[in-house]
Amino acid sequence: QVTLRESGPALVRPTQTLTLTCTFSGFSLSTRGMCVTWIRQPPGKALEWLARIDWDDDKYYSASLKNRLTLSKDISKNQVVLTMTDMDPVDTATYYCARMVDHGDYFDYWGQGTLVTVSS
Amino acid sequence: DIQMTQSPSSVSASVGDRVTITCRASQDISRWLAWYQQKPGKAPNLLISDASSLQSGVPSRFSGSGSGTDFSLTISSLQPEDFATYYCQQAKSFPITFGQGTRLEIK
Repeated sequence: QVTLRESGPALVRPTQTLTLTCTFSGFSLSTRGMCVTWIRQPPGKALEWLARIDWDDDKYYSASLKNRLTLSKDISKNQVVLTMTDMDPVDTATYYCARMVDHGDYFDYWGQGTLVTVSS
Repeated sequence: DIQMTQSPSSVSASVGDRVTITCRASQDISRWLAWYQQKPGKAPNLLISDASSLQSGVPSRFSGSGSGTDFSLTISSLQPEDFATYYCQQAKSFPITFGQGTRLEIK
């Protein structure tokens, strides 16, 4: 059974750095072809792809956020960590991690999401 | 970036109706397209990948079609649990992009 769960602070101050952890089970990120992605959704708005980390440690980032995002993984803990620097109120959103299917950048299992509010 | 444009933005329909939602890509994405259903407060649920491949467990009343730049999602006979927001997503190239969503409401 595949599950993912996001964790991190619910409130972040402007200019601070956000650190989110995706803890998953039912698959291993050391398995060839496995990838985990982060996607966010501002309240009442559409989905926005942020970044992806692969089994072989390749990483891909949204061009518009590339300078602010960093991905890492801990195979032994079944975790992926996303950091986003210089947070702004426009970054207020529900942040999801999701597993990529084996045949393309589609996402078959998602965490429940974590709402991050950026406010002073 | 590839822009994904859905229409309509919202639609009202009744149980039993047939509904079609369209998605247009700003450039050729072949069949690298997915459809998701999202209910309030929940994560999106993958319905269809590769434009027309139904995910396991998704009812057969959902179907997808299209290639290139024009795609559609059809629900053949709406059920009460289908009222939700639907998103298309291209998987052709980075950055992955989503449509703005289509809200399906009860008439």
